[in-house]
Amino acid sequence: KNQVEQSPQSLIILEGKNCTLQCNYTVSPFSNLRWYKQDTGRGPVSLTIMTFSENTKSNGRYTATLDADTKQSSLHITASQLSDSASYICVVSDRGSTLGRLYFGRGTQLTVWP
Amino acid sequence: DAGVTQSPTHLIKTRGQQVTLRCSPKSGHDTVSWYQQALGQGPQFIFQYYEEEERQRGNFPDRFSGHQFPNYSSELNVNALLLGDSALYLCASSPRDRNVGEQYFGPGTRLTVT
Repeated sequence: KNQVEQSPQSLIILEGKNCTLQCNYTVSPFSNLRWYKQDTGRGPVSLTIMTFSENTKSNGRYTATLDADTKQSSLHITASQLSDSASYICVVSDRGSTLGRLYFGRGTQLTVWP
Repeated sequence: DAGVTQSPTHLIKTRGQQVTLRCSPKSGHDTVSWYQQALGQGPQFIFQYYEEEERQRGNFPDRFSGHQFPNYSSELNVNALLLGDSALYLCASSPRDRNVGEQYFGPGTRLTVT
């Protein structure tokens, strides 16, 4: 069964600290993995996208890693800011075309305190 | 260049009523997907449209139907509303000749059924 599991479910950190979010998937075949940031009540916004051959992708203070062998990904946030408070969703695509399906994790709810 | 737009932003309906949600894709995109996101959950795939036809469908009852217009915009219709239909409804668009993982999400429509 194609699944995407994220951990932790929620996380609270102090402003300025770093954190790492985890994503494990069983989706097969695998096309790509994307991390989204979703503010409460808003649509998800893409942070990074990685294909099978990529193992690291950065976007400012966000760095995603991918281990296609173990089917694990992580999102590392550096020097957190209050605006980083949001849900972070891991999404895996099973095919490199529009006919592919997207499999969503439940998200990690990150709260950054001042 | 406008991104994905959705209307209305919020909607309150009564059980048994019918609702229509609207989505305009990002410029250059011809494929539209709809998702339902319950509070605290990841988005659940409802269906996908391109060339004005439903191409894929998730595990949703026939009460959920859709339409795509020649200008690629789309509607989601839900009949006989249930309390459990209360959710954030997300529309995502992508160009058909590109990777499905490159979907762009709209801001969503918050539907409350009372």
